[in-house]
Amino acid sequence: ETGVTQTPRHLVMGMTNKKSLKCEQHLGHNAMYWYKQSAKKPLELMFVYSLEERVENNSVPSRFSPECPNSSHLFLHLHTLQPEDSALYLCASSQDPSARNTDTQYFGPGTRLTVL
Amino acid sequence: DAKTTQPTSMDCAEGRAANLPCNHSTISGNEYVYWYRQIHSQGPQYIIHGLKNNETNEMASLIITEDRKSSTLILPHATLRDTAVYYCIVRASNTGNQFYFGTGTSLTVIP
Repeated sequence: ETGVTQTPRHLVMGMTNKKSLKCEQHLGHNAMYWYKQSAKKPLELMFVYSLEERVENNSVPSRFSPECPNSSHLFLHLHTLQPEDSALYLCASSQDPSARNTDTQYFGPGTRLTVL
Repeated sequence: DAKTTQPTSMDCAEGRAANLPCNHSTISGNEYVYWYRQIHSQGPQYIIHGLKNNETNEMASLIITEDRKSSTLILPHATLRDTAVYYCIVRASNTGNQFYFGTGTSLTVIP
């Protein structure tokens, strides 16, 4: 256990559905992240929240909408997804993103998303 | 981040030490070496990181050469549960918040 939990662990949804992924960290960290890992591809950073404010968004499609209500919780709201969005979605947290080269990120177990 | 080169795959006998190499010949002075592993379909797990000195924790040891152009992750007594993809990452302070996971080394621990 890394102290980062994600629910659900598996999700199957149609292209017209709306669903949300949840992440919770129990480490007292100040930053949270969403990553996407597609088959046979490296991890891609989607969103970064530091002290509950979004600080980085690498041009992710608007059908992915993050929400960070407090420093312990992070959501990823999904709507009108495409089959190519099927992937493992990983949440991570870290203590101090301003100390970039020494700020260790701790990952959750991921949500395996399948879009039909 | 400096580019890293790792072997695609390795085998290790159960109970023996697993030595996973990583080349990072373009590393610069402020870049740390991180190691993570990912067991199939799970989130990456942090193992260890270091700058210049060798590091050891309850999971592994990290040996960094004096010129810092390569490093070795050592799992002292490999178990079947250590079968995973191991990622060597070199991280600078000016590359944003992303950890760049390459293709890593797929380690198989054999009974």
